[in-house]
Amino acid sequence: RKEVEQDPGPFNVPEGATVAFNCTYSNSASQSFFWYRQDCRKEPKLLMSVYSSGNEDGRFTAQLNRASQYISLLIRDSKLSDSATYLCVVNIGTDKLIFGTGTRLQVFP
Amino acid sequence: GAGVSQTPSNKVTEKGKYVELRCDPISGHTALYWYRQSLGQGPEFLIYFQGTGAADDSGLPNDRFFAVRPEGSVSTLKIQRTERGDSAVYLCASSLGAGEREAFFGQGTRLTVV
Repeated sequence: RKEVEQDPGPFNVPEGATVAFNCTYSNSASQSFFWYRQDCRKEPKLLMSVYSSGNEDGRFTAQLNRASQYISLLIRDSKLSDSATYLCVVNIGTDKLIFGTGTRLQVFP
Repeated sequence: GAGVSQTPSNKVTEKGKYVELRCDPISGHTALYWYRQSLGQGPEFLIYFQGTGAADDSGLPNDRFFAVRPEGSVSTLKIQRTERGDSAVYLCASSLGAGEREAFFGQGTRLTVV
């Protein structure tokens, strides 16, 4: 079993739609959690950290469920510029960041 | 620029040759990571340095892969006897170190073994 699992997609949604991505992790000792965004042929960049209480940054909301070892990302009012791959990232201790395969999002007009 | 710099951006080498990939992290960042990314996959952890020492090298696939960071800044990933399966984008990232979790990535080195 992979340490971090994501649905690879692609998710094809119209502008203005709400879309949600899920991620599960296998190591119950995981300490911190993130979503990174990666554009085609570019490097990953931090989108947001994920906190136990849930957190929001504009149109983006991240949730963590430690009991179920599950992380989610919700994007509201999708824009064309949101088209990218979204990587779920888990710090399993010793500052080792483990990435999921990524979920591809394509927003169409 | 002030970001993570990786050289070369592209490298084509013949099977069996030796290659070195260089990473220049953001100034002052003590933590440095190497990842490998194949098409359609997420970045795969290779090795993590805290200062000059390798804090975790459990992701190196075999003894053909080796990385150094002798002065706690620039790092070099070395691959001996390259194989076609080594073809991938090699990404380097740095962060301020333990307790500071955001990792900043370089643009990667695209390695092609022919």
